[in-house]
Amino acid sequence: EDKVVQSPLSLVVHEGDTVTLNCSYEVTNFRSLLWYKQEKKAPTFLFMLTSSGIEKKSGRLSSILDKKELFSILNITATQTGDSAVYLCAVASGNTGKLIFGQGTTLQVKP
Amino acid sequence: GAGVSQSPSNKVTEKGKDVELRCDPISGHTALYWYRQSLGQGLEFLIYFQGNSAPDKSGLPSDRFSAERTGGSVSTLTIQRTQQEDSAVYLCASSLAGGSPRAYYEKLFFGSGTQLSVL
Repeated sequence: EDKVVQSPLSLVVHEGDTVTLNCSYEVTNFRSLLWYKQEKKAPTFLFMLTSSGIEKKSGRLSSILDKKELFSILNITATQTGDSAVYLCAVASGNTGKLIFGQGTTLQVKP
Repeated sequence: GAGVSQSPSNKVTEKGKDVELRCDPISGHTALYWYRQSLGQGLEFLIYFQGNSAPDKSGLPSDRFSAERTGGSVSTLTIQRTQQEDSAVYLCASSLAGGSPRAYYEKLFFGSGTQLSVL
């Protein structure tokens, strides 16, 4: 059975800290791995990763994929209270856009 | 529209009643998805529509759940004889699937969801 596992499930840090969120997967016919940020209800797209070892970066957020070890990490540097959210990892497999989601990591950034 | 629109935003119903949830995808998006998110959980795939192809219903948890997509646009998710375990946020998403570049295929745009509470 295809599965995506995220860790930690929750994390509390202070502003300015750097955090690393983990996502491992066991999925047949892997196509891509995606990260989403969910602040209230609607998840918003952060990154899509298809190739190993190539870092994607957007401001203070960055992500990388390891297709050999079947995992990805999402890094957030110099965290701000606005980074508080649930971060979702998802994997696309097969020939559809159907995504398999992990449980999410709840990040709380305290002032 | 500018984004994926879902209605109602909140729905409270009694056990045993039927409910209909509506999703209006981004104009031009050919793929539409329904996901369910229970409290503290990740997103659970329910059903996927792509163009005129038969929908992928592999995630529907029981035959009380059904969905249709009229005219390749608006979709309705129907839950019959609701149970308390159906309480969750139901999220709809759309994407530019089936075309090129592939980057659009998996980039789902989500609506704000319908919070369903079954009493």
